[in-house]
Amino acid sequence: QVQLVESGGGVVQPGRSLRLSCAVSGFMFSSYGMHWVRQAPGKGLEWVTVMSYDGSNKYYADSVKGRFTISRDNSKNTLYLQMNSLRTEDTAVYYCARDLGDSQWSWGEYWGQGTLVTVSS
Amino acid sequence: QSALTQPASVSGSPGQSITISCTGTSSDVGGYNFVSWYQQHPGKAPKLMIYDVSNRPSGVSNRFSGSKSGNTASLTISGLQAEDEADYYCSSYTTSSSVVFGGGTKLTVL
Repeated sequence: QVQLVESGGGVVQPGRSLRLSCAVSGFMFSSYGMHWVRQAPGKGLEWVTVMSYDGSNKYYADSVKGRFTISRDNSKNTLYLQMNSLRTEDTAVYYCARDLGDSQWSWGEYWGQGTLVTVSS
Repeated sequence: QSALTQPASVSGSPGQSITISCTGTSSDVGGYNFVSWYQQHPGKAPKLMIYDVSNRPSGVSNRFSGSKSGNTASLTISGLQAEDEADYYCSSYTTSSSVVFGGGTKLTVL
């Protein structure tokens, strides 16, 4: 069955970097666009970024543009989120999610369980 | 990009129907059919309930339906059940090639 498993979260100081991973199984990873979404403690959902199935297109929320980079390794069935210059407001649970297959903008059919990133001194 | 506007809370009794609205602009909800609805129970990942305005993913109950009129999308849940109590979020594609979420609606089943 389809599985998405995030890892790499933890506690990091402001200004430092962290890389999240999303390992997938149960489907042909190279055929699907992938998103990152975050949720601050007790808050709503915030979209972070998307990458197309082949990595040729990527888009970011204004709040992370220039600091976060999405990438993927289709040979390893893994999606990444490189987070630089972290701020306290980046503290959140980070989820990866898959699109439905027809368009990267029809998405959210499958989600991981999330990984918590805490930015604190 | 401003968040889509959802009511903070709605409630209904078992068996009743409720509707949650999601208001945006012509740059998001009104301009595209990439509107989705998610259900989230406490401590769990979101679950897709409706995509592309009115389509249900496989396995989602037909008690859930979606629609759109102008800049406002709606999620209707009929035959309310206790397990429907959760937070609900709408999302939409935007002209900026991004995604915007609503602030979320807490559904209480009385």
